[in-house]
Amino acid sequence: QKEVEQNSGPLSVPEGAIASLNCTYSDRGSQSFFWYRQYSGKSPELIMSIYSNGDKEDGRFTAQLNKASQYVSLLIRDSQPSDSATYLCAVNDMRFGAGTRLTVKP
Amino acid sequence: DAGITQSPRHKVTETGTPVTLRCHQTENHRYMYWYRQDPGHGLRLIHYSYGVKDTDKGEVSDGYSVSRSKTEDFLLTLESATSSQTSVYFCAISEGTGHQPQHFGDGTRLSIL
Repeated sequence: QKEVEQNSGPLSVPEGAIASLNCTYSDRGSQSFFWYRQYSGKSPELIMSIYSNGDKEDGRFTAQLNKASQYVSLLIRDSQPSDSATYLCAVNDMRFGAGTRLTVKP
Repeated sequence: DAGITQSPRHKVTETGTPVTLRCHQTENHRYMYWYRQDPGHGLRLIHYSYGVKDTDKGEVSDGYSVSRSKTEDFLLTLESATSSQTSVYFCAISEGTGHQPQHFGDGTRLSIL
């Protein structure tokens, strides 16, 4: 059974802090990794993709991938209350983690 | 926003009845997906399509069937609805460069009593 695991949270950080969201996966053959953001009552939206080991930055978001350790993470710098949402990790075989709920407190 | 429309948005029905959910896209994307989302389980793939009349099963396909007779439409049918199929159903599309959905519809909240 191929698994994608995330801490369900909730993860609470103060406004302006760095939020760190983590995801582990079981299939060593996975090649593509994605982060989605889902606001309460809304549909998921794709925010980041990463395919190679290392970091990928997009604005305040940084995705980090370590294939040897089989984890992928998402860092959100200068967190804002509008970042409060559930963040879903996904791997290339269309399998999603259960999501981590992030709350950014003003 | 990507042009994806799901219908109906809400439905309540009884156990044993057939139910069909519709997903319509205006993006001409090759790949279309049906997911269900339940608390504690995240999104789970039911079926997906990689072209007209080309479909394949996902991880939770039992009790569901799909059809895609046109590029723009992807139908999900619950043959005989059960209470365990109460869920929020999302349709998604992708241009086909990978298998990962790029855009999601607004979802259908289905309750089976």
